[in-house]
Amino acid sequence: GQSLEQPSEVTAVEGAIVQINCTYQTSGFYGLSWYQQHDGGAPTFLSYNALDGLEETGRFSSFLSRSDSYGYLLLQELQMKDSASYFCAVRDLGSGNTGKLIFGQGTTLQVKP
Amino acid sequence: DVKVTQSSRYLVKRTGEKVFLECVQDMDHENMFWYRQDPGLGLRLIYFSYDVKMKEKGDIPEGYSVSREKKERFSLILESASTNQTSMYLCASSLTSNQPQHFGDGTRLSIL
Repeated sequence: GQSLEQPSEVTAVEGAIVQINCTYQTSGFYGLSWYQQHDGGAPTFLSYNALDGLEETGRFSSFLSRSDSYGYLLLQELQMKDSASYFCAVRDLGSGNTGKLIFGQGTTLQVKP
Repeated sequence: DVKVTQSSRYLVKRTGEKVFLECVQDMDHENMFWYRQDPGLGLRLIYFSYDVKMKEKGDIPEGYSVSREKKERFSLILESASTNQTSMYLCASSLTSNQPQHFGDGTRLSIL
């Protein structure tokens, strides 16, 4: 089966850098996605890694290493508004054309002043 | 911007009732999904649809059914609501299988 593991909670201070890890066990997948969800809000797409390496989008970066079955989301220059839950997700090879994703359980990030 | 609209933000129903949750997307997306979200369990897929009148079971389909008669609308049906179906329900859609999913604001359903 497929499973993704994330830390349940991470705390950091404003202005700092934080890394949220995602390790996975799956027989094969198309890529690793990250979603952000503020309390009471809808999950929103942040980034996607189809290939190994680093993808950068402003203050957020995401990394994938298929050989290590590992990825992470890096948030720089943390702001209070970054306090949210972050989910990693994969679309495994068996999903065909359905777009079905498998989500991790989510990491709650708390940014403190 | 893509808009995914769920019919109710909060809903309270009684045990045994038949409950309908509606979801509409405005961007001609092929794929639509229903998830439930519970603390500590993340997002779990109930059902999804990759075309009109096509549906497939997700990871936790028991006690649920779905309907997709039109491309823009995907309905989740609780045939006979039970208290363990109290949860946040999220609808999502994606243009194609390799495009990001866009989520609605969710329906917080309470079954009494």
